[in-house]
Amino acid sequence: KAGVTQTPRYLIKTRGQQVTLSCSPISGHRSVSWYQQTPGQGLQFLFEYFSETQRNKGNFPGRFSGRQFSNSRSEMNVSTLELGDSALYLCASSFISGWDFTFGSGTRLTVV
Amino acid sequence: ELKVEQNPLFLSIQEGKNYTIYCNYSTTSDRLYWYRQDPGKSLESLFVLLSNGAVKQEGRLMASLDTKARLSTLHITAAVHDLSATYFCADLHNNNDMRFGAGTRLTVKP
Repeated sequence: KAGVTQTPRYLIKTRGQQVTLSCSPISGHRSVSWYQQTPGQGLQFLFEYFSETQRNKGNFPGRFSGRQFSNSRSEMNVSTLELGDSALYLCASSFISGWDFTFGSGTRLTVV
Repeated sequence: ELKVEQNPLFLSIQEGKNYTIYCNYSTTSDRLYWYRQDPGKSLESLFVLLSNGAVKQEGRLMASLDTKARLSTLHITAAVHDLSATYFCADLHNNNDMRFGAGTRLTVKP
């Protein structure tokens, strides 16, 4: 079966720009979570969507936002990019809340 | 603050040796996750531990969970080079908010 698909795989953006990342979950999975991974802070929870509703949000500034569509695909947006936003962004999907999670390959964002 | 603490953070062992990675967590969650990450890659699910006393094994890896002590262990038996990777444990908070440990970078030397 198809896994979790994240696009694009790599991005280079300039400070001040905005970026949109996409995540297509495994078919039938309705929950999509987003994580940021950096060498300094490790893996940190950004937010989670279930049936088009954001149910939980991590401790990130309002520049980080997301949404989920009716087909469960999710996007996250980062506005006014800062150098510190350079990271690997991972999304994970699950069928039932709190069950097993499958992670996508990630989007590596570099802000210059 | 809700924390997940792994130790050791760095581990270098000889092939054929056994070792255990420890994961202490601070929530009352009754489920614990172990993931593997290879350099530049995503997270691969290894184990989902769903109840106190749970023990799961896959190949040379065995994970256990003690919810009373808020401790999970990942035991490596007769290590081989292919096990070299970073291993993360994570516990679960509300609505799929997983809190990860800092990771244990394992190097298995010939």
